[in-house]
Amino acid sequence: DQQVKQNSPSLSVQEGRISILNCDYTNSMFDYFLWYKKYPAEGPTFLISISSIKDKNEDGRFTVFLNKSAKHLSLHIVPSQPGDSAVYFCAARRTKAAGNKLTFGGGTRVLVKP
Amino acid sequence: DAGVTQSPTHLIKTRGQQVTLRCSPKSGHDTVSWYQQALGQGPQFIFQYYEEEERQRGNFPDRFSGHQFPNYSSELNVNALLLGDSALYLCASSLGAGGINYGYTFGSGTRLTVV
Repeated sequence: DQQVKQNSPSLSVQEGRISILNCDYTNSMFDYFLWYKKYPAEGPTFLISISSIKDKNEDGRFTVFLNKSAKHLSLHIVPSQPGDSAVYFCAARRTKAAGNKLTFGGGTRVLVKP
Repeated sequence: DAGVTQSPTHLIKTRGQQVTLRCSPKSGHDTVSWYQQALGQGPQFIFQYYEEEERQRGNFPDRFSGHQFPNYSSELNVNALLLGDSALYLCASSLGAGGINYGYTFGSGTRLTVV
């Protein structure tokens, strides 16, 4: 039972344009969502997060949107840069029940073309 | 400031063997979580150690066990290896096991190949 899904395994975008990564979840008990970025041969690094009480969080070029009614979140990267080429994971947690244990999606590989 | 250190980086084992993976948490962190990332998939939670005890466990069989030492470092042991155990094993450290402290720092992982 995959509780967090990233339905697009890959995404190709031109440098300077917007990258939009999508994530769907099924467990309404999730109260915090995070995005991680992973380069080959490195561990995932935290990118941006959002609490379930908010619908948007912005940090520089990265913005995460949360639609609770649709159980959907998205990550926008504007403008995309070649260094953004990596695998992006969406993750969710149920803080009260499970602390900081994370449930991850399958990842989306982003390629930013110069 | 060293981040999370995992050893070894790569490992090849034969079916049925046992393996031990090691993790040293980031300085100042006291909690270690282990994740398994199969090829083409996202990381899956194995278990978490805090105060030298297993605090949470994911959907993994008893062949997967762990330990945390007084210096907060941790080991992941897998017995009776199966081909399906081939994966990248990630260690993540944090300060505190629960609440709102989500500050995971991941190591680079150990790539285990079972042949």
